[in-house]
Amino acid sequence: ILNVEQSPQSLHVQEGDSTNFTCSFPSSNFYALHWYRWETAKSPEALFVMTLNGDEKKKGRISATLNTKEGYSYLYIKGSQPEDSATYLCAMGGNNRLAFGKGNQVVVIP
Amino acid sequence: DTAVSQTPKYLVTQMGNDKSIKCEQNLGHDTMYWYKQDSKKFLKIMFSYNNKELIINETVPNRFSPKSPDKAHLNLHINSLELGDSAVYFCASSLGQTGGFYGYTFGSGTRLTVV
Repeated sequence: ILNVEQSPQSLHVQEGDSTNFTCSFPSSNFYALHWYRWETAKSPEALFVMTLNGDEKKKGRISATLNTKEGYSYLYIKGSQPEDSATYLCAMGGNNRLAFGKGNQVVVIP
Repeated sequence: DTAVSQTPKYLVTQMGNDKSIKCEQNLGHDTMYWYKQDSKKFLKIMFSYNNKELIINETVPNRFSPKSPDKAHLNLHINSLELGDSAVYFCASSLGQTGGFYGYTFGSGTRLTVV
């Protein structure tokens, strides 16, 4: 069983502030770590896939880092905007599937 | 063109009925999945097919039966629907079925409500 934990479960951020949250996963038999952005009433959309320890990925104001040895990934949002409000899902690859965490729900307050 | 399309988007039905949800992908992907979003918004895998072959069958009641007529389609049939089956069901596809290197493309979800 791939146990993926995300924290905090939800957070409110003032517009313009930066924020970050954590995804923890088993460090043994690591294959890949995925981040998805999931807006209400839509389907999850892929943000990043990371495979190597020390990987850093960036898309606009959103970036992610990966530490496979200690089993965590951080997602950062710089200068949060209302359109960043969504649930950010972390998923670990293994056993021919993605195992998802419960998500970090972000609400950006204008 | 929608990459992964699910129908219907909403389904309201009575207990005891049999219903199907259809999923089609036009991405040329080899692998398709069904996930259930539970009451706590958690996505849990149900089934996976690779080129029409069943790969993953999680502990799902046997009232749920997936069918893949070809690699572009994965349908989910549910017999004798129960109240607890109410959930959002997501179809997804991926290029391969390795250890999760390939990400998913999700459908828009089917909200099933059993009354």
